[in-house]
Amino acid sequence: AQSVAQPEDQVNVAEGNPLTVKCTYSVSGNPYLFWYVQYPNRGLQFLLKYITGDNLVKGSYGFEAEFNKSQTSFHLKKPSALVSDSALYFCAVRDMEGGYQKVTFGTGTKLQVIP
Amino acid sequence: ETGVTQTPRHLVMGMTNKKSLKCEQHLGHNAMYWYKQSAKKPLELMFVYSLEERVENNSVPSRFSPECPNSSHLFLHLHTLQPEDSALYLCASSQPGQGNSPLHFGNGTRLTVT
Repeated sequence: AQSVAQPEDQVNVAEGNPLTVKCTYSVSGNPYLFWYVQYPNRGLQFLLKYITGDNLVKGSYGFEAEFNKSQTSFHLKKPSALVSDSALYFCAVRDMEGGYQKVTFGTGTKLQVIP
Repeated sequence: ETGVTQTPRHLVMGMTNKKSLKCEQHLGHNAMYWYKQSAKKPLELMFVYSLEERVENNSVPSRFSPECPNSSHLFLHLHTLQPEDSALYLCASSQPGQGNSPLHFGNGTRLTVT
């Protein structure tokens, strides 16, 4: 069974500093990994994905994620945090089952960017 | 505009009421999902419909009853709920066959059971 772990409930970072939100995964085959962001009173929005290829994946709003197969990690990064990046971030792993997506989400990490 | 619209945004209901949540997607997707989001817990997949056929039912209590009349609409019928059912209910859609495509979520219905 696939699983995702986000070890930090909350991450605080000063505006302008680099940020990292951690994620580790467990899958039986090739990992299909995603990051989503959720702003208050909104649904989840897709940020970026890793399917295959380059280990550094670039996504929306200046975010990127680094896939590390040996460490089974897919950490979300941004070189310079903005106050508007404050939100809840979810890592997810996807399996295709019967032609639809069976997605397992982590518990989420609240990112607080301090002005 | 997310392409996936959920109504109502907020719902307060008593334990003996019957209500329905509605989801509509304008993306031409063929799979639709109901998720439950509770504080401090991972998103829980409740139901999946693919090509209007229910393909996943994750041991959800029978007081939740989904309906998918066509590929654009998804309902969640609620009756005799419990206070622990209070949560944010999220609808999502995706395009089967496009393995790389992400889920597209609506903004959710915040349900409070009193």
